[in-house]
Amino acid sequence: KQEVTQIPAALSVPEGENLVLNCSFTDSAIYNLQWFRQDPGKGLTSLLLIQSSQREQTSGRLNASLDKSSGRSTLYIAASQPGDSATYLCAAPEGSARQLTFGSGTQLTVLP
Amino acid sequence: DTGVSQDPRHKITKRGQNVTFRCDPISEHNRLYWYRQTLGQGPEFLTYFQNEAQLEKSRLLSDRFSAERPKGSFSTLEIQRTEQGDSAMYLCASSSPGLQYFGPGTRLTVL
Repeated sequence: KQEVTQIPAALSVPEGENLVLNCSFTDSAIYNLQWFRQDPGKGLTSLLLIQSSQREQTSGRLNASLDKSSGRSTLYIAASQPGDSATYLCAAPEGSARQLTFGSGTQLTVLP
Repeated sequence: DTGVSQDPRHKITKRGQNVTFRCDPISEHNRLYWYRQTLGQGPEFLTYFQNEAQLEKSRLLSDRFSAERPKGSFSTLEIQRTEQGDSAMYLCASSSPGLQYFGPGTRLTVL
């Protein structure tokens, strides 16, 4: 059974800083890995999806990497802004239903 | 394409009451998922439908929980005899398959 871990649980940085969020998973035979953003009390917004054959995926100021051999993915946020403040979750699909197994998230605060 | 919608957005109920939530997936998506999220945790999988068939159920889905997806369109999740431990955000997602798109969730508070 897949287990997904995110460290740290919370992170606070000044505006403009580049930062890295970490995600680790136990089963390296993953189909893909997805990063989500969740604002307080809201649903999930998909940010990036990395297929198992890819090593990186980029969208604007976001870059996600995937290293299956080490069981790790990172989300890099460049030039952080206060509007980036949210909880960031990573998730990997498992089972025939491809249901997602989530980490517990990293709560990011970008200070103006 | 208006995305995944869920109703109600918030529900407050007393312990022992029954509640029902509705999820309307993206129209062309044949796969529908229910997840539950408690404070400070990531969502946990509850159940999965492909069209109208319920194909997967998590051990988290106790006998008090039942889900349906008549005609493979919208889905309902019912909780009978609610307990305080049922207080959580209930999220619905759909896919075609591929990327799962999430709804805004229903926040349940059991008093």
